[in-house]
Amino acid sequence: AQTVTQSQPEMSVQEAETVTLSCTYDTSESDYYLFWYKQPPSRQMILVIRQEAYKQQNATENRFSVNFQKAAKSFSLKISDSQLGDAAMYFCAYRSADTGNQFYFGTGTSLTVIP
Amino acid sequence: DSGVTQTPKHLITATGQRVTLRCSPRSGDLSVYWYQQSLDQGLQFLIHYYNGEERAKGNILERFSAQQFPDLHSELNLSSLELGDSALYFCASSSGLTLDMNTEAFFGQGTRLTVV
Repeated sequence: AQTVTQSQPEMSVQEAETVTLSCTYDTSESDYYLFWYKQPPSRQMILVIRQEAYKQQNATENRFSVNFQKAAKSFSLKISDSQLGDAAMYFCAYRSADTGNQFYFGTGTSLTVIP
Repeated sequence: DSGVTQTPKHLITATGQRVTLRCSPRSGDLSVYWYQQSLDQGLQFLIHYYNGEERAKGNILERFSAQQFPDLHSELNLSSLELGDSALYFCASSSGLTLDMNTEAFFGQGTRLTVV
């Protein structure tokens, strides 16, 4: 089974600075999707960014970008110019491209933004 | 607002009891997924329904069951509740049977179940 590991239970960043959240995963599949979800105190799971494994170019969405290293099975999230509203729990998730209806989530990283 | 509605938002019940969690998917979405988020854990997949039929099962206990009704809303039934069943239960919906890069799942705000 696929596993997703987030080794940083908590991170903090100064407002306007940059922070990187780590994620590694284990799979024997060659095609899959990777995601970062944000879960603020409202509990809503909000999609931040996604990456398709066969695309080598790293995805970016405004201040959010990823560093996808397929060989290393690493998928980190970089948040630039951090804002107070970025404070939340961040979950890395994997989904197969072949049997792709089930997400495998990491245990999350709680991000604090310091004013 | 994702368009996925879960009720109730909070539920407190005693061990041994039975509860029903409800999920209304986004308008037009045929797939409903249930996930459980225990303390300090990521979301764990429980079950997937598409247009009324069960399509996939994950780590769902035998004490738990689900169904999807003709109007596409879904219910997750949890019985003989134990303290360890305390968790956030999320529902997600999507339009098709499968999720690809251009078909996304939208999550509700969850039901927080506390078993005392």
